[in-house]
Amino acid sequence: AQTVTQSQPEMSVQEAETVTLSCTYDTSESDYYLFWYKQPPSRQMILVIRQEAYKQQNATENRFSVNFQKAAKSFSLKISDSQLGDAAMYFCAFQNAGNNRKLIWGLGTSLAVNP
Amino acid sequence: DTEVTQTPKHLVMGMTNKKSLKCEQHMGHRAMYWYKQKAKKPPELMFVYSYEKLSINESVPSRFSPECPNSSLLNLHLHALQPEDSALYLCASSQPGTVPTDTQYFGPGTRLTVL
Repeated sequence: AQTVTQSQPEMSVQEAETVTLSCTYDTSESDYYLFWYKQPPSRQMILVIRQEAYKQQNATENRFSVNFQKAAKSFSLKISDSQLGDAAMYFCAFQNAGNNRKLIWGLGTSLAVNP
Repeated sequence: DTEVTQTPKHLVMGMTNKKSLKCEQHMGHRAMYWYKQKAKKPPELMFVYSYEKLSINESVPSRFSPECPNSSLLNLHLHALQPEDSALYLCASSQPGTVPTDTQYFGPGTRLTVL
């Protein structure tokens, strides 16, 4: 069975600085997808970034980028130029390719942004 | 702005009440999901509808009854709930079979309190 581990329950960063959230996963599959979702106190679950396992290039979305290390089964999220609005719970999630649409979730990292 | 809407935002009900949660998506997706989320935890999948048919039921108690009247609407009927059912209920949608994956997009959630 697949598992997702986020080893940092809480993190903090100064505004305008860079922070990296870690995520590791375990799977025997070769084709899968990885996601980072953000959930601010307003509770809306927002897709931050998506990575396809077959792509070697790391995904980027504006200030958000990932470091995808397939062999190491690692999928970290880097937030550059942190803003107060980045304060949220961040969840890493895994999804098998194919018909199974179930997301396997990590336990989340609570990120605080200090002014 | 979200293209997945949920009503109501908040709901308080007694253990003998019958109520319904509603979800509507405006993305043309053909898969819809119900999740239950406790504070500071990842979402737990409850049900998945694919092309208006129930495809996954994660052994949810019968006091929760899902309904998918059409491809854009999803309801969750509640009856005889217990206080431990108090949680945030999230709806999500995705487009099955899309490349690279049918990414799930979430609504803002309904905060349910059972007294």
